[in-house]
Amino acid sequence: EAGVVQSPRYKIIEKKQPVAFWCNPISGHNTLYWYRQNLGQGPELLIRYENEEAVDDSQLPKDRFSAERLKGVDSTLKIQPAELGDSAVYLCASSRREGHEQFFGPGTRLTVL
Amino acid sequence: GQQLNQSPQSMFIQEGEDVSMNCTSSSIFNTWLWYKQDPGEGPVLLIALYKAGELTSNGRLTAQFGITRKDSFLNISASIPSDVGIYFCAGHNSGGSNYKLTFGKGTLLTVNP
Repeated sequence: EAGVVQSPRYKIIEKKQPVAFWCNPISGHNTLYWYRQNLGQGPELLIRYENEEAVDDSQLPKDRFSAERLKGVDSTLKIQPAELGDSAVYLCASSRREGHEQFFGPGTRLTVL
Repeated sequence: GQQLNQSPQSMFIQEGEDVSMNCTSSSIFNTWLWYKQDPGEGPVLLIALYKAGELTSNGRLTAQFGITRKDSFLNISASIPSDVGIYFCAGHNSGGSNYKLTFGKGTLLTVNP
């Protein structure tokens, strides 16, 4: 089966610009996660979706970050406006249901200048 | 919040040597997962552990779920150059409102051929 797909793979923007990341989970996986991974660290959860519902967004900086999963399949994570400290790898993961093994996409490496 | 201490931070070994790394937690987990991340890629699931005391193998990899549920270790036998990468442990709870997968900071493994 196809894995988690993310695009773009790399993005370089200037601070205060908006940016969006897209994720297509593994077919049949109801749970979708967005993580942020800073250099030298493990991934940290930003938001978790069960189908189209965001069931845990407690770690999402809501002043500038937003996410959606309108039809319960693909998801988009947006940052507006981006700050220098947002430079990181943004990972999407999916699982069949909450608690089951999570499978990660290749990530989007964001550089904010 | 929950914290995972993963050690060692890095390892330099010769091809053919065995490797051992471990993870300890400040609190109990119901599931332990071990992932490997190659440069520019997302983490790939290696082994999942669901029961205290469980010992599971995947080829040359062996992992154990500590009896106290606060630790886990990963062994790699007869290392080869393609074992190079960052290994992450991750702990998961499936009770209450905490469904978060908590990652360690990773162990960077270098294998000299």
